[in-house]
Amino acid sequence: AQKITQTQPGMFVQEKEAVTLDCTYDTSDQSYGLFWYKQPSSGEMIFLIYQGSYDEQNATEGRYSLNFQKARKSANLVISASQLGDSAMYFCAMRESQQGAYGQNFVFGPGTRLSVLP
Amino acid sequence: KAGVTQTPRYLIKTRGQQVTLSCSPISGHRSVSWYQQTPGQGLQFLFEYFSETQRNKGNFPGRFSGRQFSNSRSEMNVSTLELGDSALYLCASSLGLAGLEQFFGPGTRLTVL
Repeated sequence: AQKITQTQPGMFVQEKEAVTLDCTYDTSDQSYGLFWYKQPSSGEMIFLIYQGSYDEQNATEGRYSLNFQKARKSANLVISASQLGDSAMYFCAMRESQQGAYGQNFVFGPGTRLSVLP
Repeated sequence: KAGVTQTPRYLIKTRGQQVTLSCSPISGHRSVSWYQQTPGQGLQFLFEYFSETQRNKGNFPGRFSGRQFSNSRSEMNVSTLELGDSALYLCASSLGLAGLEQFFGPGTRLTVL
């Protein structure tokens, strides 16, 4: 079963408007972390924002905020005041404990391609 | 502080050959993870190394292997290359196994002909 679901393969947003990218996750761990990464056409993955499962406040990093709804297992990324440079693939990811092993496992969603229109 | 570096950036090989990719983590980072990214399968976790020991492994055949050196640099090896191994291979480093975030390198794009 998919552990990370991103239901929007592609999104369009007008420059300077806000956009929400959806992410739902599935885990039985009590302690886990949720991440959003941006991947421009150059291919490099860029860390955007992190939310821990025990964090009560929604994470914010500049124009990025994470709308964390634990009961719904949802971790949507909100980008305010979109810029042309925001056009990229966006991946939601989860860090959870690997069963039977010492360490962590990162699971990525399929990604959402965001296009910002001038 | 220098970021994660990966060499080479591009590589072309033929079926049956083997390949070794290199990753140098951010200074002070002790954990290195490897990922394969393809259009069909997306981003998939290969393995994670910490203090020269493989701590975690994804669901890949034994042709995929790796190692980590005492300076935390890591290499990934793929033997008997198949066409389906064509992908972007990303390396990421973090402070430790419980690191909050991973920092990714630019990737090595492997093409198997």
